[in-house]
Amino acid sequence: VQLVESGGGLVQPGGSLKLSCAASGFTFSDSDMHWVRQASGKGLEWIGRIRSHVYTYATAYAASVKGRVSISRDDSKNTAYLQMNRLRTEDTAVYYCVRRVVGTTDRYFDYWGQGTLVTVSS
Amino acid sequence: DIVMTQSPLSLPVTPGEPASISCRSSQSLLYSNGYNYLEWYVQKPGKSPQLLISLASNRASGVPDRLSGSGSGTDFTLKISRVEAEDVGIYYCMQGLEVPLTFGGGTKVEIK
Repeated sequence: VQLVESGGGLVQPGGSLKLSCAASGFTFSDSDMHWVRQASGKGLEWIGRIRSHVYTYATAYAASVKGRVSISRDDSKNTAYLQMNRLRTEDTAVYYCVRRVVGTTDRYFDYWGQGTLVTVSS
Repeated sequence: DIVMTQSPLSLPVTPGEPASISCRSSQSLLYSNGYNYLEWYVQKPGKSPQLLISLASNRASGVPDRLSGSGSGTDFTLKISRVEAEDVGIYYCMQGLEVPLTFGGGTKVEIK
């Protein structure tokens, strides 16, 4: 099982960036995918998620990013995306792609990517 | 949004001694199905977080039985019966009841 994030880098405030998360080793199309970020030396912050086709690809976002980010997926490419617009310095963080298991009763994050660093600075 | 509060912030522990981390939620995580949607994760140095506990007390595969989760409603605890060097890391609780999912601030476990 692998989740490999890419697309991070240095971007100016107000700019845009699109992160990708390439998945392998599990049935991506049946999986809910989430994004979690972590600023340097800080804790984990949930950004948002996109559900699988079973749940009609429903999305949800944290208030801190709502209106500025969009999560999408391409099941034919086993890839999830995080489009970030109007970036702020406080968006500087490592961004993790995570798979969430949603069972009949149990729910948890089982697979995490290695993370990709986004730095917002002029 | 559900606010998750962890304590302590830092937990220095002598190897072989027990350790306990508290996690409180601003509203009950007990769902109508009788399960508490509280998860525990650990982030070891330089690594991505990994699952320890789901549904407040269900140990994930491969997690040693020295670690256990308990609690219900708004008060939860992660216990390590005998701390080992490999337990060093930052422990996070997270509520999985509703979006936005929210994490506690983390507890850093270190060896004395």
